Amino acid sequence: GAVVSQHPSRVICKSGTSVKIECRSLDFQATTMFWYRQFPKQSLMLMATSNEGSKATYEQGVEKDKFLINHASLTLSTLTVTSAHPEDSSFYICSARGPWVGEGKTQYFGPGTRLLVL
Amino acid sequence: SQKIEQNSEALNIQEGKTATLTCNYTNYSPAYLQWYRQDPGRGPVFLLLIRENEKEKRKERLKVTFDTTLKQSLFHITASQPADSATYLCALDILGGSQGNLIFGKGTKLSVKP
Repeated sequence: GAVVSQHPSRVICKSGTSVKIECRSLDFQATTMFWYRQFPKQSLMLMATSNEGSKATYEQGVEKDKFLINHASLTLSTLTVTSAHPEDSSFYICSARGPWVGEGKTQYFGPGTRLLVL
Repeated sequence: SQKIEQNSEALNIQEGKTATLTCNYTNYSPAYLQWYRQDPGRGPVFLLLIRENEKEKRKERLKVTFDTTLKQSLFHITASQPADSATYLCALDILGGSQGNLIFGKGTKLSVKP
């Protein structure tokens, strides 16, 4: 149980284009979803937290107009990188948390999306 | 300032030995501490969670300890195998923090040689 998928797994795009990444919880309802970015040999950096049906909460330094997050249902969140530039190239990982109580805030991660902007 | 540190970037051990990874933190008061495994090009996979009032937790060949006085957690893999080679991340779960927010360390890359 607690499987999270991401699509696409890898994307290459030209500078200036927009890229959408989907994150789905396959066998549970995710009350909260998270988007992270990870550069090589670096820690996961939280970009934003989103709850179904409400606006995402962005971490300091993350441009909300550049990284659009939509959490339209309890099983789907999307991250759109608008007007992507080479410096946006990174590994983007989503995670989801269900409505369980008692065992901390365990998050279940997707397999990640490798974005390369040329 | 608040910090979470994993003792080494890389750890190399021989198959069959016990691997011990360290996670230290400062200026946090976590309610829980979690350990994840991350393979190259993949998302992290949850392994174990330990509460602030627990000293030790085990799961098969894995053991985690949590010392809130020392502000340290140790993660042990006994009888290590080459398949255990991966990066291991510790994450703090801050009580009262924004919901579901985990603070991750940079990870320790473990290599188990046959």
